[in-house]
Amino acid sequence: KQEVTQIPAALSVPEGENLVLNCSFTDSAIYNLQWFRQDPGKGLTSLLLIQSSQREQTSGRLNASLDKSSGRSTLYIAASQPGDSATYLCAENTNAGKSTFGDGTTLTVKP
Amino acid sequence: NAGVTQTPKFQVLKTGQSMTLQCAQDMNHEYMSWYRQDPGMGLRLIHYSVGAGITDQGEVPNGYNVSRSTTEDFPLRLLSAAPSQTSVYFCASSVPGQGTEAFFGQGTRLTVV
Repeated sequence: KQEVTQIPAALSVPEGENLVLNCSFTDSAIYNLQWFRQDPGKGLTSLLLIQSSQREQTSGRLNASLDKSSGRSTLYIAASQPGDSATYLCAENTNAGKSTFGDGTTLTVKP
Repeated sequence: NAGVTQTPKFQVLKTGQSMTLQCAQDMNHEYMSWYRQDPGMGLRLIHYSVGAGITDQGEVPNGYNVSRSTTEDFPLRLLSAAPSQTSVYFCASSVPGQGTEAFFGQGTRLTVV
């Protein structure tokens, strides 16, 4: 059974800090991995997708990496802003359209 | 672009009632799936479909039925609602391919009293 773990469960940082969110997965034959943002009471917004053949993807201040050998992905957020406060979810996607999610990291960026 | 549309957005049911949560996508995606999200947790897979006429169970299928008669629609039926089914339900769609992401609806918040 695939499992996805996110540590820490919650993180609070002052504005301007660079930070790293961690995601671990058990399936070494990962298809792709997707990072999402979820605001309270809202749906999921896709941030980045990394294919199994890729090592990293970047979008603006966000950079996601993938290390299949260690079963880890990280989401790096540069120069954090209060507007980045949200829950961040990682999901391992299979080639049958199924996703296994971690429980998320709730980020608070203090002004 | 509509993307993935879920209806209703909110619903309150009494224990034992049945209802159908609707999910429709207009992107001609082959894959569709249903998840539930409980407080403080990630999403868990209920049922999924790799194409019209094909469905299969996910991690937490008990108490739910699905069917996929068209590519566009993937309704989720609660046969006899229980308080344990109080949750937020998300529908997703995607196409085959490593570079394709999953698209999610905005969710249906269901309360069973």
